[in-house]
Amino acid sequence: ETGVTQTPRHLVMGMTNKKSLKCEQHLGHNAMYWYKQSAKKPLELMFVYNFKEQTENNSVPSRFSPECPNSSHLFLHLHTLQPEDSALYLCASSQGTRREQFFGPGTRLTVL
Amino acid sequence: AQTVTQSQPEMSVQEAETVTLSCTYDTSESDYYLFWYKQPPSRQMILVIRQEAYKQQNATENRFSVNFQKAAKSFSLKISDSQLGDAAMYFCAYRRVIQGAQKLVFGQGTRLTINP
Repeated sequence: ETGVTQTPRHLVMGMTNKKSLKCEQHLGHNAMYWYKQSAKKPLELMFVYNFKEQTENNSVPSRFSPECPNSSHLFLHLHTLQPEDSALYLCASSQGTRREQFFGPGTRLTVL
Repeated sequence: AQTVTQSQPEMSVQEAETVTLSCTYDTSESDYYLFWYKQPPSRQMILVIRQEAYKQQNATENRFSVNFQKAAKSFSLKISDSQLGDAAMYFCAYRRVIQGAQKLVFGQGTRLTINP
C-alpha cells in the first residue's frame, strides 16, 4: 500500500457538476503537490503546499480550487470543468527539500 | 525557466539486454537534483534513481545507473539486464527548491518496451 492515497480512483462528471478529489499522505511529510497529466503532454505542476500554506499556483484556472486543511490532507475542488480538463490528476508529498517526492496512484478524471 | 527534454518518445529492447534513455535539461542554477521516475500501466509514479548535481559520481541503484554530464546538461539512464517488469513510461525530472518545498519539471517521457 502506497504512503500516498487518492480517492476516487476514477471520476466521470458533467461540466456543470461540482466534485472534489482527495489526497492523504501517511508519511509525515510537510509538503503536498497536485499535478495534471494529460495525454501527450509532460506532467504539469498545479499547486504546492508547504506546512498547509500555498507556495505555488502555476497559473491554474479558478475552476480548480485547492484546499489543504493540514499537512496530511489535500483536496482539489472542481467546478464547471471543460472537456479538456480530462486527465490523470496526481498527488505527491515530500519531506523538506532534500528528499524525493512520493506519488499517489492518481485520479482518472473524465469531463463530459 | 528550467526545461527538460527527452528526445526518444519510444524505445524497445530485448529482455536481458541493456538500454539507455536520454535526457537533457536547461538551467542556470548550480545546485539541483535530477530524477528518473517510472510509470507502469498502473499509473503509479515510482522513483528509480536520483542524482545530486554537486556529486560527480554517477548514481547507481542495482540494474539502474545514470551518466550525469553536468557541463553538457545531460542525464541519461542505463538499464542493464532488462526485465519484463521494466516496461513502463520513464520520466526525467529536474528539481528546484521553492520556499521550503520542491518544484519538479518533467520531460515528455519515453515509453520503454521489453521484448521477450
